Amino acid sequence: GENVEQHPSTLSVQEGDSAVIKCTYSDSASNYFPWYKQELGKGPQLIIDIRSNVGEKKDQRIAVTLNKTAKHFSLHITETQPEDSAVYFCAAPGGYSGGGADGLTFGKGTHLIIQP
Amino acid sequence: DAGVIQSPRHEVTEMGQEVTLRCKLISGHNSLFWYRQTMMRGLELLIYFNNNVPIDDSGMPEDRFSAKMPNASFSTLKIQPSEPRDSAVYFCASSSSRASVFGSGTRLTVV
Repeated sequence: GENVEQHPSTLSVQEGDSAVIKCTYSDSASNYFPWYKQELGKGPQLIIDIRSNVGEKKDQRIAVTLNKTAKHFSLHITETQPEDSAVYFCAAPGGYSGGGADGLTFGKGTHLIIQP
Repeated sequence: DAGVIQSPRHEVTEMGQEVTLRCKLISGHNSLFWYRQTMMRGLELLIYFNNNVPIDDSGMPEDRFSAKMPNASFSTLKIQPSEPRDSAVYFCASSSSRASVFGSGTRLTVV
């Protein structure tokens, strides 16, 4: 099955600076890579995703890059704000069969702290 | 749309009791996933369904866990008998494509 490694586990940045979170995956057949943000007491919320046919995707202050050859993908947050403080998870399809949407294998999460 | 709705939000039960967690999918979504989140193991996929059919239950910890999808919009996850190590937050998520939408979770405490 898929194995997803995520680092760092904790990241503290000054407000206004950029934050980068990195993930690696093991299954070269994986073709979809979402990022989720989880705030305290809530479920994970999808913030951006990328499919394997593109190398980069951007949505305002958030961007994701994908290197299929190296099997890693990264989340970039620019001009960080206090509301960006949360736990961020990367994920990849678990390699489950059956068609339709696939179950996800998640990284262990990164606790992002934005220092005022 | 109210999103994915889970109930109850919190459940405290005694070891050995039966626990049933409930999930209502987003209308039109045809995939349903149950995840468990703990500090030690993070987010783990337990089981998922496509079009009401269980596709992969290899993540279900033991026979004490069972999941059903009696119709296209509703699912249950049952633990019988419950044990203290089952304490965790259980999420369900639904999807119509690749992106999954999560519910707010059920925090289960087994004492």
